Amino acid sequence: DAGVTQSPTHLIKTRGQQVTLRCSPKSGHDTVSWYQQALGQGPQFIFQYYEEEERQRGNFPDRFSGHQFPNYSSELNVNALLLGDSALYLCASSPRTGSWLTEAFFGQGTRLTVV
Amino acid sequence: RKEVEQDPGPFNVPEGATVAFNCTYSNSASQSFFWYRQDCRKEPKLLMSVYSSGNEDGRFTAQLNRASQYISLLIRDSKLSDSATYLCVVARNAGGTSYGKLTFGQGTILTVHP
Repeated sequence: DAGVTQSPTHLIKTRGQQVTLRCSPKSGHDTVSWYQQALGQGPQFIFQYYEEEERQRGNFPDRFSGHQFPNYSSELNVNALLLGDSALYLCASSPRTGSWLTEAFFGQGTRLTVV
Repeated sequence: RKEVEQDPGPFNVPEGATVAFNCTYSNSASQSFFWYRQDCRKEPKLLMSVYSSGNEDGRFTAQLNRASQYISLLIRDSKLSDSATYLCVVARNAGGTSYGKLTFGQGTILTVHP
């Protein structure tokens, strides 16, 4: 049973460009959350999707947007990239049940470098 | 003030040592508490949940003090393989149609040496 998979694993972009990161949740999970982890920091919540809608959002600008597809997979889009967007982007999936907290699994992340 | 605060360390201890990490959180409405472990350049993984009554999992003991909004993790008989970053995490169900979010501390770096 595949866990949470993210693609690509590494990415280098230039300031001002746009990037799309992808996440496939663990089998049986329908909720996807995205986190940004800057070097030396803990992950910070970006937003959460289920039923193809954004349900909750952290303190991130509108340059960060997302999408969830009918198969529960998700994309994170970042427009007008800044140097400060360089980070590890983590996707976490969970089941939409009472045990979502202890059954949240993270993907290996996409390391984005903006130059 | 950050919602979850940890001493970033690093903690450098010899094998066999006992080491304790502390964490404080500011949102008294927080409902659930965890310690995650993150190896270098890897994803965070749940180490253990934290309960007010205290809980133990082998060499690891976690404790929650809701009155002081304080969480701790104790590692006994440290192993080389315990070297990692330990993340203190709190969560609160958002209610309605959202399942809330995990709020992470900065992480505490532990290095166990021979």
